[in-house]
Amino acid sequence: AQSVSQHNHHVILSEAASLELGCNYSYGGTVNLFWYVQYPGQHLQLLLKYFSGDPLVKGIKGFEAEFIKSKFSFNLRKPSVQWSDTAEYFCAVNGETGANNLFFGTGTRLTVIP
Amino acid sequence: ETGVTQSPTHLIKTRGQQVTLRCSSQSGHNTVSWYQQALGQGPQFIFQYYREEENGRGNFPPRFSGLQFPNYSSELNVNALELDDSALYLCASSLSVTDSYEQYFGPGTRLTVT
Repeated sequence: AQSVSQHNHHVILSEAASLELGCNYSYGGTVNLFWYVQYPGQHLQLLLKYFSGDPLVKGIKGFEAEFIKSKFSFNLRKPSVQWSDTAEYFCAVNGETGANNLFFGTGTRLTVIP
Repeated sequence: ETGVTQSPTHLIKTRGQQVTLRCSSQSGHNTVSWYQQALGQGPQFIFQYYREEENGRGNFPPRFSGLQFPNYSSELNVNALELDDSALYLCASSLSVTDSYEQYFGPGTRLTVT
């Protein structure tokens, strides 16, 4: 059965600190991976996605993620966080239901202290 | 370009009642997916609609049903509401069923079952 694990439930950082949020998945087929972000009071938004090719993917707002197939991981990184990065971050993998749906992890809440 | 809209914003129902939630997809998008997000969890896939037909379903009982209309808008119906149905219900649209991993989310409907 497929699964997505986000081990960090709540991360607190000071501004300018570096960020790495873990995401591990299990999926039997061709994998497509995503990071979504939900800012307070806003919709879920796509941060970045990996379908194929270069395993280092760059997204919006200076975020990047690296797909490491051997580790079944797709960790999200940002070299220097800002207060405006305070949000909930969700890792997702393509689902197995026959529809092109997303299977989400439980999310990581990031709080950035000014 | 109009984004995904959902109505109502909030809803309170009693156990055993029925509820209908509505979603208007982003302009030009013909595929709609519904997700349930319980408190502290990531979104869980309920089902997807394409060309007015169900195109895949997650692990939800038959009392969760849906419709898609010719203008691509969609409804989620839940019968015989249970306390555990209390959650944020998210609608997401995508440009086409082949592109449906790229999903654009609405703000959600917060359903409370008492």
